[in-house]
Amino acid sequence: GAVVSQHPSRVICKSGTSVKIECRSLDFQATTMFWYRQFPKKSLMLMATSNEGSKATYEQGVEKDKFLINHASLTLSTLTVTSAHPEDSSFYICSVHTGTGSTDTQYFGPGTRLTVL
Amino acid sequence: AQSVSQHNHHVILSEAASLELGCNYSYGGTVNLFWYVQYPGQHLQLLLKYFSGDPLVKGIKGFEAEFIKSKFSFNLRKPSVQWSDTAEYFCAAANSWGKLQFGAGTQVVVTP
Repeated sequence: GAVVSQHPSRVICKSGTSVKIECRSLDFQATTMFWYRQFPKKSLMLMATSNEGSKATYEQGVEKDKFLINHASLTLSTLTVTSAHPEDSSFYICSVHTGTGSTDTQYFGPGTRLTVL
Repeated sequence: AQSVSQHNHHVILSEAASLELGCNYSYGGTVNLFWYVQYPGQHLQLLLKYFSGDPLVKGIKGFEAEFIKSKFSFNLRKPSVQWSDTAEYFCAAANSWGKLQFGAGTQVVVTP
């Protein structure tokens, strides 16, 4: 399957600053990547669909101006948390979408732990 | 509204015991079903998936799941667990666009 990396794995920042998280597909060209947020002891919540070469599609309730997504190439999508606040502290996970129909699969990155002080 | 629910949030069992985790979904139209596992400190990994055909799906590491359409269920089973099966298990569903919706997850702890 596809190998997905995220960088950084862990970041601590001050309130009001912006943080960029990278998601790379190391061995697969991904036209579609997904960004999830995982709260402690809770499930993953889909934030947005990242489409290569076009605007991301955000889920209801997710502020697109707060969580900027750029999918500039087939191997890289970035999530920028702008003007971060403590409530943005969370575990952010990306996935690479491959296949269609019966081969439809997502491969997940290891996640990025964001702590906003 | 589309939803995925997992019945148990926390399960503790001994090695060699059988495991069954419940999952129910509420989706209109075509739905694809998945079970993912997250071992401590590791990323999500696909255990198995169902798209069509045989409702009994076999996955990795001895896991299987049965799709029962009349009950909107996709329960995960393993006849005999090992200590290494300690992990968090997520049921998920997706429509034809591939967007996954996850259940709340079940933390499974296997004691030696």
